[in-house]
Amino acid sequence: NAGVTQTPKFRILKIGQSMTLQCAQDMNHNYMYWYRQDPGMGLKLIYYSVGAGITDKGEVPNGYNVSRSTTEDFPLRLELAAPSQTSVYFCASRIANTEAFFGQGTRLTVV
Amino acid sequence: GENVEQHPSTLSVQEGDSAVIKCTYSDSASNYFPWYKQELGKGPQLIIDIRSNVGEKKDQRIAVTLNKTAKHFSLHITETQPEDSAVYFCAASKSNYQLIWGAGTKLIIKP
Repeated sequence: NAGVTQTPKFRILKIGQSMTLQCAQDMNHNYMYWYRQDPGMGLKLIYYSVGAGITDKGEVPNGYNVSRSTTEDFPLRLELAAPSQTSVYFCASRIANTEAFFGQGTRLTVV
Repeated sequence: GENVEQHPSTLSVQEGDSAVIKCTYSDSASNYFPWYKQELGKGPQLIIDIRSNVGEKKDQRIAVTLNKTAKHFSLHITETQPEDSAVYFCAASKSNYQLIWGAGTKLIIKP
């Protein structure tokens, strides 16, 4: 059972470039989340999804976009990367009132 | 809006001593309270959780207590070991997608 899989693990982007962070879960969870974690800080919610076709903004959505065409996949798109988006990104999934499972993270540096 | 306050932000204890981390939540409708451990370079992992119909739960050296009246819950780690060094996050959830996170506690175990 793979759980939550994130790719890539590491990425360096130049300012203005775009990329997609991939997230896939095989637990049939309806809720999925994208967080960013800056060094020494907590988790900030970027976007979340309550099911296929339904997404909504979290507390720090600017500069990001998401889609959820299937239950399994929840990609995060960065358009026009900026140094402020240098962070570690975590994808998570769960069903209501149960454990959230996290991926191993994507460490992104924008230079 | 809903929030979870977590204290202390850093906790340093001697190996073998106990550690206590406290969280306070604002939404009285919250009914699920997980604790996560995040080791360096990894995603958070659930270590213990408690539901609102239970006052205390134990799992070997780890315990969580919940006081619904005061709206606070605590993580207790006894006989601390070097491998307990990590960042610990509390969270509170209702019966929906919401998962409100504390800011985290860095636990340092001194040899």
